[in-house]
Amino acid sequence: NAGVMQNPRHLVRRRGQEARLRCSPVKGHSHVYWYRQLPEEGLKFMVYLQKENIIDESGMPKERFSAEFPKEGPSILRIQQVVRGDSAAYFCASSPYRENYGYTFGSGTRLTVV
Amino acid sequence: DAKTTQPNSMESNEEEPVHLPCNHSTISGTDYIHWYRQLPSQGPEYVIHGLTSNVNNRMASLAIAEDRKSSTLILHRATLRDAAVYYCILKEEGAQKLVFGQGTRLTINP
Repeated sequence: NAGVMQNPRHLVRRRGQEARLRCSPVKGHSHVYWYRQLPEEGLKFMVYLQKENIIDESGMPKERFSAEFPKEGPSILRIQQVVRGDSAAYFCASSPYRENYGYTFGSGTRLTVV
Repeated sequence: DAKTTQPNSMESNEEEPVHLPCNHSTISGTDYIHWYRQLPSQGPEYVIHGLTSNVNNRMASLAIAEDRKSSTLILHRATLRDAAVYYCILKEEGAQKLVFGQGTRLTINP
């Protein structure tokens, strides 16, 4: 039973390009969460999605960032027109339902903007 | 979200028990106490969680104070692989997200 799969592990983008991060949750998990960890800082919640729905995007920057979790396929975190400040590790987690249960995190995508 | 307070860092020796404290004096009755850890260059990993009673699993034990204002994560026999940042998180029943603090950076000496 594979865990949360994130790809790519490392992504380098030039300023102004788009970054697309993918997350495949644990099989059977219908809830996905995205977190960002800036260098030497803690993890910050970004967005919580269920299949085809954004439930809580209170941690998402208002511009350039978007997320989706389609009926088929992985969840995607998209960052348009990247800037140097977007350089961070982006982690995805999944859970089977909203009740108290341990979340499973992926190994993250490390985005570097040059 | 209720706040937790943890020491910034702790150090222990290999094969010795480690007690990681967490204070949460504003905990509410529906808050669960979760512990996660993050090894270097990896995503967080679930360790254990509890509500009122002490909990044990293959990774660790969680001791919860009777008034629930504090808890302790116990690693019974630390190994070098346990070196990580340990996060104590309060999560309200039915809440959607985990709110991470700064955690405790645990160093294990050989």
